[in-house]
Amino acid sequence: GAVVSQHPSWVICKSGTSVKIECRSLDFQATTMFWYRQFPKQSLMLMATSNEGSKATYEQGVEKDKFLINHASLTLSTLTVTSAHPEDSSFYICSARGERGNTEAFFGQGTRLTVV
Amino acid sequence: AQSVTQLGSHVSVSEGALVLLRCNYSSSVPPYLFWYVQYPNQGLQLLLKYTTGATLVKGINGFEAEFKKSETSFHLTKPSAHMSDAAEYFCAVSSNSGYSTLTFGKGTMLLVSP
Repeated sequence: GAVVSQHPSWVICKSGTSVKIECRSLDFQATTMFWYRQFPKQSLMLMATSNEGSKATYEQGVEKDKFLINHASLTLSTLTVTSAHPEDSSFYICSARGERGNTEAFFGQGTRLTVV
Repeated sequence: AQSVTQLGSHVSVSEGALVLLRCNYSSSVPPYLFWYVQYPNQGLQLLLKYTTGATLVKGINGFEAEFKKSETSFHLTKPSAHMSDAAEYFCAVSSNSGYSTLTFGKGTMLLVSP
């Protein structure tokens, strides 16, 4: 299957700083990328959907100014957690879907964010 | 609107025993159905998917699932559990549109004992 690489796999940051997480599709062009948040022992919660070259569509209750998503190319999307606070600590996972209405989305390995 | 219900947050089996993880869905349009596996601190790996055609779908690692429209179910099975199958399993549904998003169930943790 296609490969989606997410970086970093874990990060610790101080409260008030910003953290950027990258999601790359390594061997296909990802027209659509998704960002999820997963709390311990819970399911994945969709945060936003981004299409290359356009603004991300955020799910209800997700602060767009806090979770900045950029999908500037067909192989890269970034999620920036701005002014991070301890409650932002979580596991963030991206997934990417290719062109032509492909039914399968491929997932990155996730990023464990800890804000101290 | 779509939704997924996974019955049982934890399922325990002995090594070599049958694995059955239950998934029921709700969808107003013909669904696409997926099972994913997640190991600790990792992303999701696709086990199998149903889109159209044969209702019995075979996936990786010996898993299979059967789409039963009349029961709105897509249960995951494996004849003989292996210790390496211990992980979290997520059932997901999307509409039969190539650009729809996935809706996940809450997950079922599979525990395998020797």
